[in-house]
Amino acid sequence: DTEVTQTPKHLVMGMTNKKSLKCEQHMGHRAMYWYKQKAKKPPELMFVYSYEKLSINESVPSRFSPECPNSSLLNLHLHALQPEDSALYLCASSPGGWTSGRSAIYNEQFFGPGTRLTVL
Amino acid sequence: DQQVKQNSPSLSVQEGRISILNCDYTNSMFDYFLWYKKYPAEGPTFLISISSIKDKNEDGRFTVFLNKSAKHLSLHIVPSQPGDSAVYFCAASVLNQGGKLIFGQGTELSVKP
Repeated sequence: DTEVTQTPKHLVMGMTNKKSLKCEQHMGHRAMYWYKQKAKKPPELMFVYSYEKLSINESVPSRFSPECPNSSLLNLHLHALQPEDSALYLCASSPGGWTSGRSAIYNEQFFGPGTRLTVL
Repeated sequence: DQQVKQNSPSLSVQEGRISILNCDYTNSMFDYFLWYKKYPAEGPTFLISISSIKDKNEDGRFTVFLNKSAKHLSLHIVPSQPGDSAVYFCAASVLNQGGKLIFGQGTELSVKP
């Protein structure tokens, strides 16, 4: 299995809803990432998990809550989102992880197909 | 402050010719660079990477060149094929800073038959 999978593919939610995005990889990768991409813009990093621990939070609003239940799974819990949060949410994984400031040798990140989120 | 810049939003090339996509960066701490290809409504696909200790890396039709003194990298695709038509992003990272990739704005490549 050499891919990152994301569910659902599309999600429409109201501003008072609670929903979750799911990401899975079975490549034994030790780091997983959430990105947000708006139309005609590059992906922007939201969170990094390394060895199942949150290592980077790019000052993301608390209405986005990440969770890493195990080394293969990454969730993004959504609550009280705003219409401007509508975007493509991308999950990625990479073979290396970071512990105690040590770097991974490589940082090729492999992306899933994304979840297209629309907030009404 | 845009640390990674792709100044050409679009590029059109004839099939069989060379495509050259350019990327400039401002942060001298970057030590690892990557190119991704993206089709509409799909996630980016990793193409090729290069460490700052090298100045060239080749993989099939794709070659990445790094000029550290100019803070410039380029992706060469030869020969170009219609299936190469997509948006290409360059990305940069500092390997000991936890995996954060900084992406350029992207260049849309169109390869015409």
